[in-house]
Amino acid sequence: AQSVAQPEDQVNVAEGNPLTVKCTYSVSGNPYLFWYVQYPNRGLQFLLKYITGDNLVKGSYGFEAEFNKSQTSFHLKKPSALVSDSALYFCAVRDEGGYNKLIFGAGTRLAVHP
Amino acid sequence: ETGVTQSPTHLIKTRGQQVTLRCSSQSGHNTVSWYQQALGQGPQFIFQYYREEENGRGNFPPRFSGLQFPNYSSELNVNALELDDSALYLCASSSGAGVGKLFFGSGTQLSVL
Repeated sequence: AQSVAQPEDQVNVAEGNPLTVKCTYSVSGNPYLFWYVQYPNRGLQFLLKYITGDNLVKGSYGFEAEFNKSQTSFHLKKPSALVSDSALYFCAVRDEGGYNKLIFGAGTRLAVHP
Repeated sequence: ETGVTQSPTHLIKTRGQQVTLRCSSQSGHNTVSWYQQALGQGPQFIFQYYREEENGRGNFPPRFSGLQFPNYSSELNVNALELDDSALYLCASSSGAGVGKLFFGSGTQLSVL
């Protein structure tokens, strides 16, 4: 069965420093991978996705993610963190059933300190 | 803003009652899915509707049911509420073109006492 793991409950970063939020996945075929962000009292917002092609995917708000097939990872990155990036980040993989069912990780809380 | 609206924003019910949550999809989207997000967890897929028919379901019992209307708005109904049903319920709409790109509403926070 497909699954996604986010090994860190929380990541703390100083403003201006690079950030990485980790995600590993388990699928039987080729993965469709996603990152979503959730701000307080809001629904989830799409950041980026990997389906095929270049292993480095660029997304919204300056975020990018690197797909690594050998390590089954899809880490989210940003070169310079902003305080406004503080939020809950979810990695997800699309279910192999073919419809738009996403399997989400438990989430990682990102705290960017001034 | 995603254009997906959910109502109500908060709801308190007692065990055994029934509840209906509503969702208005983003314009042009013909697919709606519902997710349950328990406190401290990621969203879990409940089911998906495409052109008024359920075409995918997660590991939720039959007391979780839904409807999609001709204007693509949707309802989630939960019968015989249990304490563990307390969660944030998220509706997401999508079009056939955007694989995995879901547009989420802000959710309905359901508390079962």
